[in-house]
Amino acid sequence: QKEVEQNSGPLSVPEGAIASLNCTYSDRGSQSFFWYRQYSGKSPELIMFIYSNGDKEDGRFTAQLNKASQYVSLLIRDSQPSDSATYLCAAIQGAQKLVFGQGTRLTINP
Amino acid sequence: DVKVTQSSRYLVKRTGEKVFLECVQDMDHENMFWYRQDPGLGLRLIYFSYDVKMKEKGDIPEGYSVSREKKERFSLILESASTNQTSMYLCASSSASGQGSYGYTFGSGTRLTVV
Repeated sequence: QKEVEQNSGPLSVPEGAIASLNCTYSDRGSQSFFWYRQYSGKSPELIMFIYSNGDKEDGRFTAQLNKASQYVSLLIRDSQPSDSATYLCAAIQGAQKLVFGQGTRLTINP
Repeated sequence: DVKVTQSSRYLVKRTGEKVFLECVQDMDHENMFWYRQDPGLGLRLIYFSYDVKMKEKGDIPEGYSVSREKKERFSLILESASTNQTSMYLCASSSASGQGSYGYTFGSGTRLTVV
């Protein structure tokens, strides 16, 4: 079992709809979780982090964490074509090392 | 406003060459990392460093070495480049304060082609 798992997609969502990206992790010791966005040919950029159970909102983005189910998700409201990218979920392992999922490719259709 | 700088965006090297990839960060971060990213395989950790002159192997260290003589600089060395090392190489840094609460900052990446 991979330490951080994501559905690789591709996930296709119409413009204006809610995009839902999901991630599960295997290490119950992981405390902090991150969502990165990566455009084709570019490096990953951090968009959200979460370490408490529940929801965390930032603009159109909401990260959700359920430690009991070992589940992290990212919701993107009012999806825009510029949101089309690969989204990487990551969890802290040990003191400072991030373990990444394979990424989910998201396409927003105008 | 660049915070993590990788010395080359694109690099073409010949098989057997010794290759140096340089990474510099200006955020005074303690931690630095080297990843490679390949289609279908995601990000794989090669080496990381939590302090000057300190290094730890990641998941795929074979064929690579690293050097960290100064806090701001972390170099990845391919001792004898091979075609299976053709990849996108990403450097990242993070602060040691908090449990990685601010995540990594990535450099822009170096696309290395070994011919």
